[in-house]
Amino acid sequence: ILNVEQSPQSLHVQEGDSTNFTCSFPSSNFYALHWYRWETAKSPEALFVMTLNGDEKKKGRISATLNTKEGYSYLYIKGSQPEDSATYLCAPILTGGGNKLTFGTGTQLKVEL
Amino acid sequence: DSGVTQTPKHLITATGQRVTLRCSPRSGDLSVYWYQQSLDQGLQFLIQYYNGEERAKGNILERFSAQQFPDLHSELNLSSLELGDSALYFCASSVAVTDNEQFFGPGTRLTVL
Repeated sequence: ILNVEQSPQSLHVQEGDSTNFTCSFPSSNFYALHWYRWETAKSPEALFVMTLNGDEKKKGRISATLNTKEGYSYLYIKGSQPEDSATYLCAPILTGGGNKLTFGTGTQLKVEL
Repeated sequence: DSGVTQTPKHLITATGQRVTLRCSPRSGDLSVYWYQQSLDQGLQFLIQYYNGEERAKGNILERFSAQQFPDLHSELNLSSLELGDSALYFCASSVAVTDNEQFFGPGTRLTVL
């Protein structure tokens, strides 16, 4: 069983705050890491797919970094807005696992006015 | 709208019954994945098909089976249903087999009474 940990479990921030969350995963047999954003009553939506150690990806105010040697990824949101409120899920893929995503339990972000 | 369609949206049935959930992937996507989200658990990978062939299997029960047809749509068959099978079932698709982002459908909410 692949152990994927995300922290914190939940986070309340004020509009305009910057925030970050962590995804930890086993570093052996790493192939790729996916980040998804999941709004209530909607479907998960892909944010990033990261494969290389030291990779850094950015989409608007959201960015992510990857450390495959130590087995973690950070997701950053700059200047949080209420529409950023969602659960953020990470899912590593191991080599030989097809494209099987093992999701963490997520970080639930609530951005308040 | 991700381009992935799932039918039906909701399904209510009784224990012991059998149901079929249907998924049409995005145009051009060859891979289809099935996930289950129960109340007390996160997104759990069930099974992946690529161009009609099974590619990866997760914690899929023996009572569950799936297939991908020549037109690339997929069906998930759930039989001898139990109360614990009540969940949201997502289908996702991607272009190829590995390290591509997955696009999720709206899900089918199954309630077993």
